[in-house]
Amino acid sequence: NAGVTQTPKFRVLKTGQSMTLLCAQDMNHEYMYWYRQDPGMGLRLIHYSVGEGTTAKGEVPDGYNVSRLKKQNFLLGLESAAPSQTSVYFCASGRTGGDTGELFFGEGSRLTVL
Amino acid sequence: EDKVVQSPLSLVVHEGDTVTLNCSYEVTNFRSLLWYKQEKKAPTFLFMLTSSGIEKKSGRLSSILDKKELFSILNITATQTGDSAVYLCAVPPGGYSTLTFGKGTMLLVSP
Repeated sequence: NAGVTQTPKFRVLKTGQSMTLLCAQDMNHEYMYWYRQDPGMGLRLIHYSVGEGTTAKGEVPDGYNVSRLKKQNFLLGLESAAPSQTSVYFCASGRTGGDTGELFFGEGSRLTVL
Repeated sequence: EDKVVQSPLSLVVHEGDTVTLNCSYEVTNFRSLLWYKQEKKAPTFLFMLTSSGIEKKSGRLSSILDKKELFSILNITATQTGDSAVYLCAVPPGGYSTLTFGKGTMLLVSP
């Protein structure tokens, strides 16, 4: 079972470069989330989606964009990377929202912006 | 502003000890509180609590919620080195289907 797969797992960018993180889930989940995790800060929500074609902002959305064109995929884009975006990014999905049931997390993508 | 505060931030115990991790919260329209365990990478689900005073149990782990005092505790008995992890507490803010996480408690169980 693949579950939630994130690609790439590691990436180094220069300031100003753009990139896209891909999250794919094979559990037919409606809800998908992108979090970032920084030392001492816990998990903070960037954007989320409650179904195909929908997206919404989370706690820290600035500098990121997302798209959910297909139910199984949730893309996180950085248009112009900044050192403050150095972090570990986690994607999660759930059959229902995280408020009512289990979320399944990917293994994380470590991004370094120089 | 919704808040989730976990304590202690880190803890070192010996194998066989019992530990209690704390999570206090302030959130409008409380609906649930969830515990996750994060070892090296992906957080994994432990418990969801919605009712006050009802203990959820899974093996050596148990959790209980106090809605009056706005906190939850996670107990681990007879700790093992495999229990070493960061334990995360989360609540959904307001009427949203998202989760606000605490900063976590890093537990290290030494042999």
